[in-house]
Amino acid sequence: KNEVEQSPQNLTAQEGEFITINCSYSVGISALHWLQQHPGGGIVSLFMLSSGKKKHGRLIATINIQEKHSSLHITASHPRDSAVYICAVRSEGRGSQGNLIFGKGTKLSVKP
Amino acid sequence: DVKVTQSSRYLVKRTGEKVFLECVQDMDHENMFWYRQDPGLGLRLIYFSYDVKMKEKGDIPEGYSVSREKKERFSLILESASTNQTSMYLCASTLQGRAFFGQGTRLTVV
Repeated sequence: KNEVEQSPQNLTAQEGEFITINCSYSVGISALHWLQQHPGGGIVSLFMLSSGKKKHGRLIATINIQEKHSSLHITASHPRDSAVYICAVRSEGRGSQGNLIFGKGTKLSVKP
Repeated sequence: DVKVTQSSRYLVKRTGEKVFLECVQDMDHENMFWYRQDPGLGLRLIYFSYDVKMKEKGDIPEGYSVSREKKERFSLILESASTNQTSMYLCASTLQGRAFFGQGTRLTVV
């Protein structure tokens, strides 16, 4: 079983829809990251969370440490949000060098 | 803005060639990482380094080596490229838990 599981693997939405991507993990963590990867490869860090909730524009990330679960929400989705969204955790066990354990990603496609 | 720069976006190499992938970061980060990304497998750690001349094996180091002679530069070396090393390679650096990624190098070994 993977230490970081994301769902769904693929998601197609209509422009304007509210989107939720989920991430569950099975290890103790010191932080959780949400990353965005556009076609072409470059990865951008969206959020780093260790508790609670963060908001940036139309993006909201939440984490529940007790349940070992995080969600990424996109409000009023737009075709430019189409990308792969990756959840990554910094494990308490291997965290001293900042190494991350990655989920396999959720491919989001937003249709106009 | 922090910048992590990988030397090439696309590379095509022949089987058996020695291949160098270069990564440079401009913010004096101590921790640097090389990952490969394959469909259905996500990102997997090849090697990382937490200081100059220091290196640690990640989850899939076989067939690779690394070099960190200067703090800003972390090189990934394929000693003898093979077709199963065709992949997207991503470099990252971290500081205070925040992660910064390069744009990726898509390597094809023919």
